[in-house]
Amino acid sequence: AQTVTQSQPEMSVQEAETVTLSCTYDTSENNYYLFWYKQPPSRQMILVIRQEAYKQQNATENRFSVNFQKAAKSFSLKISDSQLGDTAMYFCAFMKHGEGADGLTFGKGTHLIIQP
Amino acid sequence: GAGVSQSPSNKVTEKGKDVELRCDPISGHTALYWYRQSLGQGLEFLIYFQGNSAPDKSGLPSDRFSAERTGGSVSTLTIQRTQQEDSAVYLCASSLVGTVADTQYFGPGTRLTVL
Repeated sequence: AQTVTQSQPEMSVQEAETVTLSCTYDTSENNYYLFWYKQPPSRQMILVIRQEAYKQQNATENRFSVNFQKAAKSFSLKISDSQLGDTAMYFCAFMKHGEGADGLTFGKGTHLIIQP
Repeated sequence: GAGVSQSPSNKVTEKGKDVELRCDPISGHTALYWYRQSLGQGLEFLIYFQGNSAPDKSGLPSDRFSAERTGGSVSTLTIQRTQQEDSAVYLCASSLVGTVADTQYFGPGTRLTVL
């Protein structure tokens, strides 16, 4: 079974600062996917960024980028130029390749607060 | 296009009653997932459908829970004889298998409160 650990229950930064959310995972699989989802108070789970484990290049999406360290089983999310709208719960998630039947395994989440 | 929709948005019921939660996936998405989000347990995977079939139902919390999907589209999650510990947000997601990372797209969830 896979496990995902997010060690920061809550983080708070000032608007425009850069913030990094940590995520580690444990798996014996070699081929898998990793995701960061954002859940604002509206409850809608929104995909932020995704990484395929076989790709060495770190994924980037505008202000969001990841630092994927496969050997260390680490998948941190960096948010640059943070904005008030980034305030939300952030969940790191793991899924085995081609194994939809197992669904996503989520971490406990990090509550990110962007202060004006 | 339209995203994943779920209904009702909120449901309050009395202990012992049955409830049905509905999920309408993104058109054309072949895979559908149900998750439960609660304060104590975090996000838990419940069940996965590929087309109309669910190969593994072991993630359902008890035999009071059942799920079906008809026509490869809409899915319903039914909870019989609800208990207070069933109170949670039930999230549905869909994906098009074979696309980038088999990415799942989520609906807004149904908040279930059992009194």
